[in-house]
Amino acid sequence: ILNVEQSPQSLHVQEGDSTNFTCSFPSSNFYALHWYRWETAKSPEALFVMTLNGDEKKKGRISATLNTKEGYSYLYIKGSQPEDSATYLCASHTGGFKTIFGAGTRLFVKA
Amino acid sequence: GAGVSQSPRYKVAKRGQDVALRCDPISGHVSLFWYQQALGQGPEFLTYFQNEAQLDKSGLPSDRFFAERPEGSVSTLKIQRTQQEDSAVYLCASSLGLAGTYEQYFGPGTRLTVT
Repeated sequence: ILNVEQSPQSLHVQEGDSTNFTCSFPSSNFYALHWYRWETAKSPEALFVMTLNGDEKKKGRISATLNTKEGYSYLYIKGSQPEDSATYLCASHTGGFKTIFGAGTRLFVKA
Repeated sequence: GAGVSQSPRYKVAKRGQDVALRCDPISGHVSLFWYQQALGQGPEFLTYFQNEAQLDKSGLPSDRFFAERPEGSVSTLKIQRTQQEDSAVYLCASSLGLAGTYEQYFGPGTRLTVT
């Protein structure tokens, strides 16, 4: 994998559903993986910065895991709420200065 | 406290005009990034500053794009002789420490439309 890829591109769920999305990134020269949440008409906000293989992070109902050997990270949202509707971006750092973002997963949570 | 601010928020330029986009990062933040975001895509890296030093400008699409951060705080992205393909949202972000290590704080972006 040369680029950062996110799937699915968009996701529609009902309130209360749990959901997860995938971020695939280059595993060579891995340095850090970031997750951001971007609500419409606002600026992207950081969720997690992850650096270690096997790392798991949690913030409220949102959690993330990291596998640097195979180059993927999962973001989980438990019991989705309408306010979780946003685009979720992941970004990879490979030790240089460049941040490579995926195209994002757009989540729609219906009440 | 104050977050990252950008100005102007919207800019309409005629093709061939020069534009300057400003970013005020969070005070004390070492790193500053510029990104270009096209509709439906994630932010695309343009350039990175560590204090006043521009350490990576590999993402600047052409020599019409120029960025500076002369005193290690405010940064300006300048686009000369704008073209229609330059129409995009330009995002600025700053972080407390070195690139990759710390989360980035984003500004609201400048939406540039070239007519």
